[in-house]
Amino acid sequence: KAGVTQTPRYLIKTRGQQVTLSCSPISGHRSVSWYQQTPGQGLQFLFEYFSETQRNKGNFPGRFSGRQFSNSRSEMNVSTLELGDSALYLCASSLTPDATNEKLFFGSGTQLSVL
Amino acid sequence: EDQVTQSPEALRLQEGESSSLNCSYTVSGLRGLFWYRQDPGKGPEFLFTLYSAGEEKEKERLKATLTKKESFLHITAPKPEDSATYLCAVQQSGGSYIPTFGRGTSLIVHP
Repeated sequence: KAGVTQTPRYLIKTRGQQVTLSCSPISGHRSVSWYQQTPGQGLQFLFEYFSETQRNKGNFPGRFSGRQFSNSRSEMNVSTLELGDSALYLCASSLTPDATNEKLFFGSGTQLSVL
Repeated sequence: EDQVTQSPEALRLQEGESSSLNCSYTVSGLRGLFWYRQDPGKGPEFLFTLYSAGEEKEKERLKATLTKKESFLHITAPKPEDSATYLCAVQQSGGSYIPTFGRGTSLIVHP
């Protein structure tokens, strides 16, 4: 069974540009969450999608957005990039996220560098 | 104020030298506490889920325990391949099921 796939693996952008990251969850998983990981802040929750609907959102500015398609694949977009957006962006999928014992399956992430 | 605090931030051990990592949490009600392992350049990988005080889970050289305010990840006779960052996450009862992660403990085991 294939794991969570994130593309691209690495990205280099300049300030002011926008970027789109892609995530394909494990087959059958309908929930996709996005996290930002930095050395200083650790893993910070961005948003979660289930059946094409955003169900939860973290404390990030509106420049960060996402969507989920009918096949559960998800994309996140960051507009008007800032230097502080440099981070590892992780996608995680799960079957039924509000189940008591539901664990997350993470992809390897997209390393974004903003110059 | 962080709801999940992990200590130490970094830990260096000699191969075979047992130790423990700590995860303390301040949520009012615990739905579940998760431990993940993250290798460099990879996403976190699930290790354990604990639900109630007194519960213990084991996997190879790792044992996770839970009290009402903290969890320990005990590493017995570690090997260099145990080197990784260990993350703790807490799922609060009665609210959002989205887990809150600690900042992790970076473990290096020297041969």
